[in-house]
Amino acid sequence: QKEVEQNSGPLSVPEGAIASLNCTYSDRGSQSFFWYRQYSGKSPELIMFIYSNGDKEDGRFTAQLNKASQYVSLLIRDSQPSDSATYLCAVNSHNQGGKLIFGQGTELSVKP
Amino acid sequence: EAGVVQSPRYKIIEKKQPVAFWCNPISGHNTLYWYRQNLGQGPELLIRYENEEAVDDSQLPKDRFSAERLKGVDSTLKIQPAELGDSAVYLCASSSRTSGGSETQYFGPGTRLLVL
Repeated sequence: QKEVEQNSGPLSVPEGAIASLNCTYSDRGSQSFFWYRQYSGKSPELIMFIYSNGDKEDGRFTAQLNKASQYVSLLIRDSQPSDSATYLCAVNSHNQGGKLIFGQGTELSVKP
Repeated sequence: EAGVVQSPRYKIIEKKQPVAFWCNPISGHNTLYWYRQNLGQGPELLIRYENEEAVDDSQLPKDRFSAERLKGVDSTLKIQPAELGDSAVYLCASSSRTSGGSETQYFGPGTRLLVL
């Protein structure tokens, strides 16, 4: 089992729809969770981080964390073609001395 | 505020040749990371520095890879000799602590290495 798992996609949504990106993790002691966006040929760019169970909103983005289910998600409201990118989930691994473990990323395509 | 700076941006070498990558972190960030990212995968940590000290190099292939951060600021990652499987993007990141106590990492543009 991978430590951080994401569906590689591609996930295709129409412009204006809600895109839902999901991530599960295996280390129950993990405390910090991050979402990065990576455009093709570019480096990862931090979108949001979340520590506490529940929702955290920032503009069109909402991160959701459920530690009991070991699940973190990212919702993108009113998706735009410019949101088309790969979204990387990263988990701060308690078992590995706080190392940040990345999932393989989910490719999102927003169609005009 | 300037971001993480890396050079070169692209490098093409023949196998068995040496190669070096340079990174300048965000000013004031004491923690510096080197990652390798293969196509279609997330970044994988190679080494993490706290100031001059390498605190996690467990994933660094030490037979051919080396890194240094002599003055606790800039860092260099070297591969000697390079192998075909080393073709990847090498990312440098630096971090600061968030209010929650965790490290928020910011990435440089990366160096794309192609080994022929």
